[in-house]
Amino acid sequence: GDSVTQMEGPVTLSEEAFLTINCTYTATGYPSLFWYVQYPGEGLQLLLKATKADDKGSNKGFEATYRKETTSFHLEKGSVQVSDSAVYFCALSTNTGFQKLVFGTGTRLLVSP
Amino acid sequence: EAQVTQNPRYLITVTGKKLTVTCSQNMNHEYMSWYRQDPGLGLRQIYYSMNVEVTDKGDVPEGYKVSRKEKRNFPLILESPSPNQTSLYFCASRQQGTQYFGPGTRLLVL
Repeated sequence: GDSVTQMEGPVTLSEEAFLTINCTYTATGYPSLFWYVQYPGEGLQLLLKATKADDKGSNKGFEATYRKETTSFHLEKGSVQVSDSAVYFCALSTNTGFQKLVFGTGTRLLVSP
Repeated sequence: EAQVTQNPRYLITVTGKKLTVTCSQNMNHEYMSWYRQDPGLGLRQIYYSMNVEVTDKGDVPEGYKVSRKEKRNFPLILESPSPNQTSLYFCASRQQGTQYFGPGTRLLVL
């Protein structure tokens, strides 16, 4: 079945460091790919998305490129801030049937000053 | 403001005592769903609804019920809660491929 694999956390970085959180997927067909962010005590918020191969999603300095050849959607940011500390979820939505959303297990990011 | 609301946000209960977690959205979305979030497991879908009076099981439906009598509301019912239902629950609604999540309900079943 469809699945999403994320790197284990926590990822601990100093402010202004470069961030990469790896995400790979397995899916039939051509899924849409998403990154959601969960700040402490809050629900999930959509961070960015990409709906077809080679699309780049971007928002708030974060970006991710839909790589069909490597089935990956890695999240990157050039310079993280303390306020980026959160849990990040990679997810896919199939384009068949009712478009179920499948989540990875989440990666906690901790940014220190 | 477009939003998904859930109540209560926190709940402590005892085994076997029926409870309902409410969910409401003001975006006129047809699709709504419930997830539970557990450490190391990410989010798993419990139930979903494609529209009023149309509901179906997700990946982990055992021990839960839902109803969809109105488009905006999608309550989650635990008829006889057990400790393994202690979790963080999220309601979500969806439009054009993007899901909007509620703030979550943290449930502890003793």
